[in-house]
Amino acid sequence: EAQVTQNPRYLITVTGKKLTVTCSQNMNHEYMSWYRQDPGLGLRQIYYSMNVEVTDKGDVPEGYKVSRKEKRNFPLILESPSPNQTSLYFCASAREGWADTQYFGPGTRLTVL
Amino acid sequence: QKEVEQDPGPLSVPEGAIVSLNCTYSNSAFQYFMWYRQYSRKGPELLMYTYSSGNKEDGRFTAQVDKSSKYISLFIRDSQPSDSATYLCAMQKTGANNLFFGTGTRLTVIP
Repeated sequence: EAQVTQNPRYLITVTGKKLTVTCSQNMNHEYMSWYRQDPGLGLRQIYYSMNVEVTDKGDVPEGYKVSRKEKRNFPLILESPSPNQTSLYFCASAREGWADTQYFGPGTRLTVL
Repeated sequence: QKEVEQDPGPLSVPEGAIVSLNCTYSNSAFQYFMWYRQYSRKGPELLMYTYSSGNKEDGRFTAQVDKSSKYISLFIRDSQPSDSATYLCAMQKTGANNLFFGTGTRLTVIP
């Protein structure tokens, strides 16, 4: 089954404790992206990648890091999480670009205390 | 000012009604326009994609782009309770690779 998986689905952590949210897709897609979704602000792109070792900043990259060492994986790293990073995070992948069908993961709800 | 504006609703309509959902944008560089549907506790899914101006129809859904007014619309005909979801518009500028979303409009179709 074609899918995007994210782990963990739920995470409660404390300020400053480094964490990684994993994302994996099994569709051999070139494009991958991370979004955060907040009430009243909608979905905002954090980082995206157009291929292995090619990443770029989206709308709200501050406080986040990503890497794309393999085509299927695109982890999101919060080196020093802060409460304003409490949000619902989605990973997504697309075959050739964002105008192509973009497949979203199930979401990771992160709470930073 | 946000680059993409969308009325958050909520919008409630009776089953069978025609629904109109809208977004406005401020930058004329946007050329690619998308509509996503998001059910509660799920990730968004692509409904419609249009490039530049014009209309596109897919079953009960019609996407419309008016670049002169910087306004896009999604029409849902014969709305069904299963259409109850949040609808998000998204846009991409020519030559850019990042994507901008509206805040989403929550729609409820009442049986």
